[in-house]
Amino acid sequence: GEDVEQSLFLSVREGDSSVINCTYTDSSSTYLYWYKQEPGAGLQLLTYIFSNMDMKQDQRLTVLLNKKDKHLSLRIADTQTGDSAIYFCAESINNDMRFGAGTRLTVKP
Amino acid sequence: NAGVTQTPKFQVLKTGQSMTLQCAQDMNHNSMYWYRQDPGMGLRLIYYSASEGTTDKGEVPNGYNVSRLNKREFSLRLESAAPSQTSVYFCASSEARWGNQPQHFGDGTRLSIL
Repeated sequence: GEDVEQSLFLSVREGDSSVINCTYTDSSSTYLYWYKQEPGAGLQLLTYIFSNMDMKQDQRLTVLLNKKDKHLSLRIADTQTGDSAIYFCAESINNDMRFGAGTRLTVKP
Repeated sequence: NAGVTQTPKFQVLKTGQSMTLQCAQDMNHNSMYWYRQDPGMGLRLIYYSASEGTTDKGEVPNGYNVSRLNKREFSLRLESAAPSQTSVYFCASSEARWGNQPQHFGDGTRLSIL
């Protein structure tokens, strides 16, 4: 398909790990991004990965990239209530940014 | 450190009215963007300005115009608002319009057209 696809909802318990998945469109995408949007706010860049990497870790965040399947995931370890937000996957193609519809993560106490 | 500032935060218009959404960035970025965000959809690019003095259409430009007033400011104008333009509008900026330059977003303008 031509869309960046994400599941719309994910619910986890506080302290568990969250895994948010994304399928992107173009194997020539150079950079892939994860943004976080809290209520009433804009998108905040969380992390990004270059397409020649398989994995990137940044504190509680781990990004995994499977280029063959065009699959990107974001794992949040020890999920906290403050992690509740919408998470957007985005790909960069020819200097254009293409966004998924966002995954709403709900963290239950 | 303000980053990207959008005004107003909220606006209600009647069909046919016009208005301009303002955006300013203080990061000395060359590129600026306007997106709209609708429920269940990702952000869609309306217009962008790769550098001062240039503007180009994005994915959904119809019904909008833009002005890159200077390096800091990029405004979006609705000449004759329609209910289909009810949305949340985000301005963003990046150092350059290259893939490795992440975009920084404002907090959005929530626009309702009756």
